[in-house]
Amino acid sequence: EPEVTQTPSHQVTQMGQEVILRCVPISNHLYFYWYRQILGQKVEFLVSFYNNEISEKSEIFDDQFSVERPDGSNFTLKIRSTKLEDSAMYFCASSEAGLGDASGRNEQFFGPGTRLTVL
Amino acid sequence: DAKTTQPTSMDCAEGRAANLPCNHSTISGNEYVYWYRQIHSQGPQYIIHGLKNNETNEMASLIITEDRKSSTLILPHATLRDTAVYYCIVRVFYNQGGKLIFGQGTELSVKP
Repeated sequence: EPEVTQTPSHQVTQMGQEVILRCVPISNHLYFYWYRQILGQKVEFLVSFYNNEISEKSEIFDDQFSVERPDGSNFTLKIRSTKLEDSAMYFCASSEAGLGDASGRNEQFFGPGTRLTVL
Repeated sequence: DAKTTQPTSMDCAEGRAANLPCNHSTISGNEYVYWYRQIHSQGPQYIIHGLKNNETNEMASLIITEDRKSSTLILPHATLRDTAVYYCIVRVFYNQGGKLIFGQGTELSVKP
């Protein structure tokens, strides 16, 4: 069964450093998402991406964050200058269709996550 | 999006049906009910969704009341692997961004 994969599984970085989290969505999916979960807290939406542009972003997704689909398979989340409060699990997700698109299935499939630790 | 209310935690005996309730009294006509679950430290997993009719798939059944103000997710024969946090999410179908808004969910413990 196809699945979303994420690398690395765990990333440790120093405050102020740049990190890139990588995701390989399911191959025929067109919509991509990043969420994060701080330890013990709720899963929070960060950003959605379709047709090579951001569809929606949350207040968390400030200028320090960016997303990119550099090729036909990868979807990345970059944090330019990490802060201590960026420590969290970051989940990538993808869906065949968006919630506004009735042409396909719109349930989101999540990857296993990358645990980011900022020291 | 409509707000949902779920019990914080529930227990269920292995092999028995787990019935997880969700209240969404402010749901509007174009909002769907989605259920996801998160097994400890893993990514959320889609279970099922519906608008007003009851739905069933290989994982679970979703029962939505006639007034759509509440729903119940049913795991017919719970196993230890079903221990997880279950999220009820009410979502407008037509939304460009497609974001899911997770609440605190119900922590289901399946016990031997």
